[in-house]
Amino acid sequence: QSVLTQPPSVSGAPGQRVTISCTGSSSSIGAGYAVHWYQQLPGTAPKLLIYGNNNRPSGVPDRFSGSKSGTSASLAITGLQAEDEADYYCQSYDNSLSGSWVFGGGTKLTVL
Amino acid sequence: QITLKESGPTLVKPTQTLTVTCTFSGFSLRTSGVGVGWIRQPPGKALEWLAVIYWNDDKRYSPSLKSRLTITKDTSKNQVVLSMTNLDPVDTATYYCVHRRSGNYFDPWGQGTLVTVSS
Repeated sequence: QSVLTQPPSVSGAPGQRVTISCTGSSSSIGAGYAVHWYQQLPGTAPKLLIYGNNNRPSGVPDRFSGSKSGTSASLAITGLQAEDEADYYCQSYDNSLSGSWVFGGGTKLTVL
Repeated sequence: QITLKESGPTLVKPTQTLTVTCTFSGFSLRTSGVGVGWIRQPPGKALEWLAVIYWNDDKRYSPSLKSRLTITKDTSKNQVVLSMTNLDPVDTATYYCVHRRSGNYFDPWGQGTLVTVSS
């Protein structure tokens, strides 16, 4: 069971907007640790999508955005495209049990 | 450009020890602040952080796996090695080597190496 909680799946039609939530606790996201997001296309390694809550690495379209509030964070994808169909993972840090990097259980995005 | 590549056995027997090697380029583990880590992903399941080693040889392990893991570095070879003892079929996973950024995130990732634990 993952430390961060994500919905198992979300879906949307091309052009629509979808959001993926990531819920942590007072020892992770709520303690002020940043949230980062990764995109994993089928059969490939995860790739950094958002870092530091709301920053996009070079090359990531501005259709992807992140936000954080309290013990939760969200990834928003606007103007959905077929190529966005992938698994998405949130990640943060948890200061309990000597500290560790923690991930969400992943969300499968289906573009209808 | 930073690249990382994992290598190691594809099949390991239960109770044996797994040793996977990460060979990287584009940065040095002699540089202050730099870290390299390991993350695994069982087939069809979520990502799980395992360990990180820093430029100053500081090491961090997943609390749930700490007793079974050892991470070491060879700065002259630009390599990081992860060992995991007493393997079980539930340890079957793709093992990824990652470059840890100062903001506590991982970028980039290696391509991963699939390790199957089976007799």
